[in-house]
Amino acid sequence: DTAVSQTPKYLVTQMGNDKSIKCEQNLGHDTMYWYKQDSKKFLKIMFSYNNKELIINETVPNRFSPKSPDKAHLNLHINSLELGDSAVYFCASSRRLSGGAGGELFFGEGSRLTVL
Amino acid sequence: AQKITQTQPGMFVQEKEAVTLDCTYDTSDPSYGLFWYKQPSSGEMIFLIYQGSYDQQNATEGRYSLNFQKARKSANLVISASQLGDSAMYFCAMGLIQGAQKLVFGQGTRLTINP
Repeated sequence: DTAVSQTPKYLVTQMGNDKSIKCEQNLGHDTMYWYKQDSKKFLKIMFSYNNKELIINETVPNRFSPKSPDKAHLNLHINSLELGDSAVYFCASSRRLSGGAGGELFFGEGSRLTVL
Repeated sequence: AQKITQTQPGMFVQEKEAVTLDCTYDTSDPSYGLFWYKQPSSGEMIFLIYQGSYDQQNATEGRYSLNFQKARKSANLVISASQLGDSAMYFCAMGLIQGAQKLVFGQGTRLTINP
């Protein structure tokens, strides 16, 4: 069983469309995240949820809206897609909400979004 | 604010040799954790090793060890006896121990192991 699974793995869409990426973890972790990896491989946090509560909300356009229906699921909805949104989006979870031991992130396989 | 710097964009190493991937960090907080991740060409991110700022000994996990030099603010990853399967991007990351987890990642180093 995949620990952190994301769907879809690939998304190709036109500018202006709305799309969603879904994420589920079966590790029993309380904390989940969305990270964005750009074309230069740079990884940056977007959002973090702890027990369904939004904890971290980086400077992200409000076209991006995360939703956590329960602590095992974290979805990402993107409105009015722009060319610059093309990237790989990683979902992750962690046992602890800190940089301490046990705080390592478990990542999904990533969702590659291409906006044409 | 935290900052992570990986100064080697690419490294080429012969199979079976040891390799050191550099990572320096900057923070004014005394309590933090350092992480290394591997990203093969297939794209997934794999956790390798962790070092806490108060840990007295350098972390080791199999062929991976972390050369932690606190005064120099460096946390280099050492891979012993490299294998072809070690070819990948490697990312150093840091997170503060107090407060919400926010891992800050370095730019990555692309490691290529030659047969």
